[in-house]
Amino acid sequence: QSALTQPASMSGSPGQSITISCTGTSGDVGSYNFVSWYQQYPGKVPKLMLYEVDKRPSGVSDRFSGSKSGNTASLTISGLQTEDEGDYYCCSFTDSGSFAVFGGGTKLTVL
Amino acid sequence: EAQLVESGGGLVQPGGSLRLSCTASGFPFRDYTMNWVRQAPGKGLEYLSYIGRRNDPRLYADSVKGRFTISRDDDKNSLYLQMTSLRAEDTAVYFCARDSAYSFDVWGQGTLVTVSS
Repeated sequence: QSALTQPASMSGSPGQSITISCTGTSGDVGSYNFVSWYQQYPGKVPKLMLYEVDKRPSGVSDRFSGSKSGNTASLTISGLQTEDEGDYYCCSFTDSGSFAVFGGGTKLTVL
Repeated sequence: EAQLVESGGGLVQPGGSLRLSCTASGFPFRDYTMNWVRQAPGKGLEYLSYIGRRNDPRLYADSVKGRFTISRDDDKNSLYLQMTSLRAEDTAVYFCARDSAYSFDVWGQGTLVTVSS
């Protein structure tokens, strides 16, 4: 049950777009459209941003979008805002027996 | 409003045991599958365990399999995590989370477990 692979850190300027990748295997991301993304501010509870690859829960800005190709899922944030700065985690259903696996997390800095 | 509240965290010695609880309100608890996730200090999220409706199935990450047991009591709207043979590396904030469409849409505030002598 290896963690999904995410870049440790990324940065962008306000107004820019940024894409965070999340690479898994054929046992998780590659075979199932059950990829979700979470935003977490320091000391706070994670918040669901996307589910089933590209679906947004009610209340989540349409600046957040998702996609998947092969074993890699992606979260794109368009029109970066300072409030987007935080940690982002991907998660996928896995058929390894544990139900789900998270990525290592990406620290996003908005300069 | 759906809400989850964890309790039961604290300081425990290596090799010891602890039971975490998660009390749900604002939604029909028995209709949802539930999960435990933890986060070690300064580290990322780690998925731990899943429980289906009526306590079946119960699934675990390799890191806790054989040491942790997930359970639920639908009459009490409660989820539990019994932790045994605790190690220093189990030190973390433990979150319970509601499962919806294979994602976690409602989270508790977390409870801190510290394993230290």
